Amino acid sequence: DTGVSQDPRHKITKRGQNVTFRCDPISEHNRLYWYRQTLGQGPEFLTYFQNEAQLEKSRLLSNRFSAERPKGSFSTLEIQRTEQGDSAMYLCASSPPGQMNTEAFFGQGTRLTVV
Amino acid sequence: AQKITQTQPGMFVQEKEAVTLDCTYDTSDPSYGLFWYKQPSSGEMIFLIYQGSYDQQNATEGRYSLNFQKARKSANLVISASQLGDSAMYFCAMRASSGTYKYIFGTGTRLKVLA
Repeated sequence: DTGVSQDPRHKITKRGQNVTFRCDPISEHNRLYWYRQTLGQGPEFLTYFQNEAQLEKSRLLSNRFSAERPKGSFSTLEIQRTEQGDSAMYLCASSPPGQMNTEAFFGQGTRLTVV
Repeated sequence: AQKITQTQPGMFVQEKEAVTLDCTYDTSDPSYGLFWYKQPSSGEMIFLIYQGSYDQQNATEGRYSLNFQKARKSANLVISASQLGDSAMYFCAMRASSGTYKYIFGTGTRLKVLA
């Protein structure tokens, strides 16, 4: 299967610890997105990469959050000094170069629980 | 600012019957795209159907159709001949025609298909 892959699928961490998530997009997809989804809500945009360049960051992305996409392939999302409010599903999506009607493909997400 | 509103937190439908999931949107962009995604309990977002703001005809994809009423700013999803496997969360989303093509999602509707 060559879909979007996210690792780990689940992460439980203690408050104050750092965590890092990985996303492997579909090959040749130059656009990569991170979203956060809390219980009962739709996904909320966090950040966007076009190739290796991070072109947009949401105000939701506090300075404890950092994302990278070295070489324009996989991406990592790191959360430093985790807080209970960071508990959520973190979704990665990718899409190929193209027009607005080209849908994004999502991974299965990483569910973070901060205890 | 763009906004998606889904007013039905939950819906029930009998197997083999049709169901309509409501979505209204707000945007000042003249060109935009509307998407519907399905999210089963596994977490992955599955693309269902797309409607462009300038499309003259309502989009259809198999058992899915989109009832697009531009003047009312609504983009309702119609699922015909419901199946038990259709039980999931359904999200309406919008993309602007320029920039990052990020999604703005609604809060979703949980659909339960009854046998």
